[in-house]
Amino acid sequence: AQSVTQLDSQVPVFEEAPVELRCNYSSSVSVYLFWYVQYPNQGLQLLLKYLSGSTLVKGINGFEAEFNKSQTSFHLRKPSVHISDTAEYFCAVSVGNTGFQKLVFGTGTRLLVSP
Amino acid sequence: DTEVTQTPKHLVMGMTNKKSLKCEQHMGHRAMYWYKQKAKKPPELMFVYSYEKLSINESVPSRFSPECPNSSLLNLHLHALQPEDSALYLCASSQGDYQADTQYFGPGTRLTVL
Repeated sequence: AQSVTQLDSQVPVFEEAPVELRCNYSSSVSVYLFWYVQYPNQGLQLLLKYLSGSTLVKGINGFEAEFNKSQTSFHLRKPSVHISDTAEYFCAVSVGNTGFQKLVFGTGTRLLVSP
Repeated sequence: DTEVTQTPKHLVMGMTNKKSLKCEQHMGHRAMYWYKQKAKKPPELMFVYSYEKLSINESVPSRFSPECPNSSLLNLHLHALQPEDSALYLCASSQGDYQADTQYFGPGTRLTVL
């Protein structure tokens, strides 16, 4: 079964520092990978997604992610974080073989940005 | 407009009450989803409607009853809930039900069962 693993439950970082949030996936077939962000008391918002093609995916708010098939990873990066980036970040994989979309989420990584 | 709206924002109910959650989107999306999210956990899929038909029911207890009256509206009827059903209930929609779709999430309804 397809799944994603987010090893870091919490990542503390100082404002304007770079950050990487890790995500590893398990799949033997083509994968569609997503990063969603959830700000406090809000729903989820798509940051970026990988479907095919270029392995470097650029998203909103200055985030980007790199799809690495050999390492089965899809890590999220930002070169300089802001206080407002403090949120929960979920990596997800789309599963299903009959045309429906079912997202399987990782356990989430809480990004804490401090001044 | 990429907005999914959910009402109410907060709901407190007793175990014998009947209540409903409402979700609406006007993006022309044909797939709609209900998720349950407990504190500090990822969302868990409950139901998927595709073209107004129930496509997925993730073995959800019958005290949760979904309804899709039309392509823009999704309801979740609640009856005889348990305190452990207290959670954030998220609605989402996507253009179709394809693996590559983007799901757009509403802000959620925070449900407390007393």
